[in-house]
Order: sequence, then C-alpha cells, then structure tokens
Amino acid sequence: DTAVSQTPKYLVTQMGNDKSIKCEQNLGHDTMYWYKQDSKKFLKIMFSYNNKELIINETVPNRFSPKSPDKAHLNLHINSLELGDSAVYFCASSQQGQGAQSTEAFFGQGTRLTVV
Amino acid sequence: LAKTTQPISMDSYEGQEVNITCSHNNIATNDYITWYQQFPSQGPRFIIQGYKTKVTNEVASLFIPADRKSSTLSLPRVSLSDTAVYYCLVGGMDSSYKLIFGSGTRLLVRP
Repeated sequence: DTAVSQTPKYLVTQMGNDKSIKCEQNLGHDTMYWYKQDSKKFLKIMFSYNNKELIINETVPNRFSPKSPDKAHLNLHINSLELGDSAVYFCASSQQGQGAQSTEAFFGQGTRLTVV
Repeated sequence: LAKTTQPISMDSYEGQEVNITCSHNNIATNDYITWYQQFPSQGPRFIIQGYKTKVTNEVASLFIPADRKSSTLSLPRVSLSDTAVYYCLVGGMDSSYKLIFGSGTRLLVRP
C-alpha cells in the first residue's frame, strides 16, 4: 500500500501546454510538499501545505499552481510549460506542526516531466 | 535556517564502515538532524534522525557532539546497494519546516 503516490510517473509534453501532476498520501499527515529535482540532481522545495493551507512558496513562477482539495491531496498544475520545466517532481508528506514526533518525510516515486 | 555542508562524494568498498560528516554551524536549539538516502530514479528515503549524542537504528548510527555543530552518519559494513546520495538536513518540527536539501554526498561502494 503506497504511502505517497504520484501520477503520472512519466510525462512528455510540448512547450506551451498545460499539465497536472497528482499526489495523494494515505499516512494522515498534515503537511505536504512539492520538490523539483533538476538535471544536476539538486532537490529544491517549491511549495509546502499544512492542512490545506499554503505555508511555503519558494518564489516559484506563477505558472505553477498547487491545489490541495483536502489534506491528503496536493496536486500541481503547470501552465504554459517551458523547456526549463523539465525535471523530476517529487511530492512528499510529513507530520509537522503541533504534536509532531519526527521530522521524517515520505516521498513519492517522482514524476519525470520532459518538455519538448 | 541552518545550512549544511557535506563532502560531495565518497568512495568505499563492500564490507567497510562508512562515516559521512555534515557541518551545521548555525543549528538552532529546536532543530533536529535528519539524514536521507536517495537512489537513482527514486524519492529520498528517511534514514535516521537525532537531536544529540548517539542514535542507532537497524540501518545506521548518528553521532552528534555536544555542541551539535556537526553530525556523522555511520553506515556499518556497506554493500553495493548502499551506493546512493546521502543528504543531511536540519530543522524543527513546526509547520514551517522547509526540509532544505543540500547537495548531498554521493557514496559509491565498490566490490
């Protein structure tokens, strides 16, 4: 039973298109994240949500819009895709905030986005 | 936010003990030290977390000196499957914790 699942695993699309990546966690965590890992393998945080509220937005272009319909889901919608958006996108969740006992975060398998 | 510094890469041989040290001179009182492992084409995976002294689990040990300005991840008797990137992170448990990943240490285990 996958703790953090992302779909799709691979996404190839043309410049200018709009695409979405879905993420779901079944761990009951309050906090969810989106990370981008570029070709140099640097993992950069993009967004963090806590109980459906945006906590962190790391100066990500407005073309990226996260949406959290409930605390188990954090989807990432990307408008007008550009070549530089090609990367692996990871979703993660953790139990941060009041009552947290650990900093452990669980990551999904990643979505490899290729913009051509 | 505390910044971390780790060696870019390390080489080892199967069966050896590997120690990866991370510097975090600006660690805050409420910060914990957490290590993650990432294999190619996979998301990072939590290995171990500690606040001070020594923590051990079935995978690794984490040594933290009294000043907490550094920490050492110790992997006993590594195998080829331990080849991965290892990340050291520091942060608290509040909801604004960013899970900032540095460049990590690329460990290569040779036969």
